[in-house]
Amino acid sequence: NAGVTQTPKFRVLKTGQSMTLLCAQDMNHEYMYWYRQDPGMGLRLIHYSVGEGTTAKGEVPDGYNVSRLKKQNFLLGLESAAPSQTSVYFCASSYEQNQPQHFGDGTRLSIL
Amino acid sequence: KQEVTQIPAALSVPEGENLVLNCSFTDSAIYNLQWFRQDPGKGLTSLLLIQSSQREQTSGRLNASLDKSSGRSTLYIAASQPGDSATYLCAVLVSNYKLTFGKGTLLTVNP
Repeated sequence: NAGVTQTPKFRVLKTGQSMTLLCAQDMNHEYMYWYRQDPGMGLRLIHYSVGEGTTAKGEVPDGYNVSRLKKQNFLLGLESAAPSQTSVYFCASSYEQNQPQHFGDGTRLSIL
Repeated sequence: KQEVTQIPAALSVPEGENLVLNCSFTDSAIYNLQWFRQDPGKGLTSLLLIQSSQREQTSGRLNASLDKSSGRSTLYIAASQPGDSATYLCAVLVSNYKLTFGKGTLLTVNP
């Protein structure tokens, strides 16, 4: 029972490069979320999805795009990476809005 | 804007001690409050979720309380063990599916 799986676990990018972070959940959850965690800032919501084919902006959406083409997958894209996007990115999912969120182990991303 | 504060930022206790972690929030209009645990280099693990209509939840040695009117929650850990060492995060669910997190309390339980 994998839960929430994030790939890759680590990545180093150069400024201006693009990449996609993948989140997969096997719990048939409707809701999925992308957060970033920075020292002294706590976790902040980037984008979220309330079902297949839907996405919405969170607290810090600028510089990121997302897609939810399949219910089990939620992709986070960086079109032109910037050093300010160096962070640990967490994906989470939940069955309903008012239910516990289940988190992946994170992707540690460094932008040089 | 909802703000969540956790005090203390760090806590070190000897094994076996009972302890309390504190969480406060500025806006009482919440759907629920959740306590998470985060181990170094890992994601968050949900410990307890208290709906806005509830006053407390218990799981094993953990007990969480919620006082919406005063904007406070506490996480009580009984008979602490070294394996309880981790960062504990409090989060409140506000509108628009948004969890607002505190910055956490780093707990160290010494053998």
